[in-house]
Amino acid sequence: GQQLNQSPQSMFIQEGEDVSMNCTSSSIFNTWLWYKQDPGEGPVLLIALYKAGELTSNGRLTAQFGITRKDSFLNISASIPSDVGIYFCAGQSSNYKLTFGKGTLLTVNP
Amino acid sequence: DGGITQSPKYLFRKEGQNVTLSCEQNLNHDAMYWYRQDPGQGLRLIYYSQIVNDFQKGDIAEGYSVSREKKESFPLTVTSAQKNPTAFYLCATVRPGNYGYTFGSGTRLTVV
Repeated sequence: GQQLNQSPQSMFIQEGEDVSMNCTSSSIFNTWLWYKQDPGEGPVLLIALYKAGELTSNGRLTAQFGITRKDSFLNISASIPSDVGIYFCAGQSSNYKLTFGKGTLLTVNP
Repeated sequence: DGGITQSPKYLFRKEGQNVTLSCEQNLNHDAMYWYRQDPGQGLRLIYYSQIVNDFQKGDIAEGYSVSREKKESFPLTVTSAQKNPTAFYLCATVRPGNYGYTFGSGTRLTVV
């Protein structure tokens, strides 16, 4: 089946630093999505990308849909303690099934 | 408010017992999904249903069963055939248009 390679697996940063994480795939996706999961909760959608090359921002978050449609990155600027959690990338194909990366665990030290 | 309700939040069962996890939605979404989450494994698809009375196996369906008798409900049964059932289970729905999934808050199942 389709697989997404998400990196890094974990990050330990100081408050105020910028963060970058990315996903690559062997398959083309129509949509790339980025989710955040707080401990013990379900993932929440942060950003959705629909077109190759698209760059989208949501507050301190910026994500891009790669030109080849096989990759995406997420940047978080000026991190704060509440940014802690697991970030997942996901690729969506036309039958509405998502394929998820294994997640990036972000820890922010105040 | 529209949303997805998973219950219970925490569930403990003895080994060898079947257990059913509830997922109810009032978003009027057609498609519903069950995922399993283990530490470091990401989210793995168990079953999904795109319309009432129809469902498909995902990547790790062995030891699980589902039903979809109503649009609003998609219960998951973890059977005694599931070798390692302790995990965090997530239910999700999707609306047409590639807007991604909406997730419930999950059920943590512990089998002792």
